[in-house]
Amino acid sequence: KNEVEQSPQNLTAQEGEFITINCSYSVGISALHWLQQHPGGGIVSLFMLSSGKKKHGRLIATINIQEKHSSLHITASHPRDSAVYICAVDVNSGGGADGLTFGKGTHLIIQP
Amino acid sequence: EPEVTQTPSHQVTQMGQEVILRCVPISNHLYFYWYRQILGQKVEFLVSFYNNEISEKSEIFDDQFSVERPDGSNFTLKIRSTKLEDSAMYFCASKVEGVGEAFFGQGTRLTVV
Repeated sequence: KNEVEQSPQNLTAQEGEFITINCSYSVGISALHWLQQHPGGGIVSLFMLSSGKKKHGRLIATINIQEKHSSLHITASHPRDSAVYICAVDVNSGGGADGLTFGKGTHLIIQP
Repeated sequence: EPEVTQTPSHQVTQMGQEVILRCVPISNHLYFYWYRQILGQKVEFLVSFYNNEISEKSEIFDDQFSVERPDGSNFTLKIRSTKLEDSAMYFCASKVEGVGEAFFGQGTRLTVV
């Protein structure tokens, strides 16, 4: 069974700060997802990674397959970045239709 | 931009009643999923659906639950004889391929009273 651990659970920072959220998992995966959940509850996909690094605007996601670890970075953080950030993994069992296994999420608050 | 649509956004039901949660996945997607998030907890996988049949299901997905794709566009989750502990946000998601980006609906908040 794959466990997904995120840290920190809660993070409060000032506007403009560089933010790092970490995710580690226990077994081999085919892909890792970073998701964003706003207070209304909806979930939005930010990144899907299977290796290396991806960048989209002020967001950067990296993954180290050997160490079973991924990080999500936010540069020049803004109050609108306040949300829950969730790490989720795809376990490749060959069937290709397994559901994602989710971490508990990191609740980020960016203060003006 | 294509999106996954879920209805209703909020449903309140009496304990013991049956509810049907509806989802319209993105049209060219082949893999469909239901997830559940109890308030304050992490999102949990319920069931995946591919090629008109259940592909994988979790321990949570017992005989109380069923899924259907009644036509080419809708994907439904039926919960029979609802219990208080079924109160949660239910998310539908779809993917083009099994290992690919997941697109989530906005969720249905189910409250069992």
